[in-house]
Amino acid sequence: DQQVKQNSPSLSVQEGRISILNCDYTNSMFDYFLWYKKYPAEGPTFLISISSIKDKNEDGRFTVFLNKSAKHLSLHIVPSQPGDSAVYFCAASAIRGGADGLTFGKGTHLIIQP
Amino acid sequence: GAGVSQSPSNKVTEKGKDVELRCDPISGHTALYWYRQSLGQGLEFLIYFQGNSAPDKSGLPSDRFSAERTGGSVSTLTIQRTQQEDSAVYLCASSLDQGGYGYTFGSGTRLTVV
Repeated sequence: DQQVKQNSPSLSVQEGRISILNCDYTNSMFDYFLWYKKYPAEGPTFLISISSIKDKNEDGRFTVFLNKSAKHLSLHIVPSQPGDSAVYFCAASAIRGGADGLTFGKGTHLIIQP
Repeated sequence: GAGVSQSPSNKVTEKGKDVELRCDPISGHTALYWYRQSLGQGLEFLIYFQGNSAPDKSGLPSDRFSAERTGGSVSTLTIQRTQQEDSAVYLCASSLDQGGYGYTFGSGTRLTVV
């Protein structure tokens, strides 16, 4: 039973355009959401997070939107750059971090084309 | 150290053998997490340490898996009598506390059971 779903295994976007990565969750107890970025042969690195009390969080080119009623969040990257090509994981937690760890989606491989 | 260090980076072992994976967290980080990523899957939470204590070991896949942490620092994940389904990348992360976005991941150990 996948509690965090990333339904697009891959996404190809032209450099300079907007990349939109989507994530859906089923557990209504989740109240903290994170996006991680992973390059090959490296560990995931934290990108941006959002608490359930907010519906938007912005950090430079990265914005995360949360729609609690739809149990959906998305990551917007604008403008997309070649260095953004990586696998992006959506993660969720019922407690910020905590003993239960994070529940991750399977990831979306973002490819930025020149 | 500057980052989370995991060793070995790659391990090939024969089915039925025991393996030991090591994680050296960032100095001063009290929380330590083990995850694994099987091919085509998201990260699966295994176990969390606060100091030397693991409050909940139910995330470990089977009783062939065990983990310990000594001196509030280095952690080892031991897999006994390895099976082919144990093949995965095993990732360790640490954080100052159990906050979700404080995670710093290591580069992982790629375990292949043949």
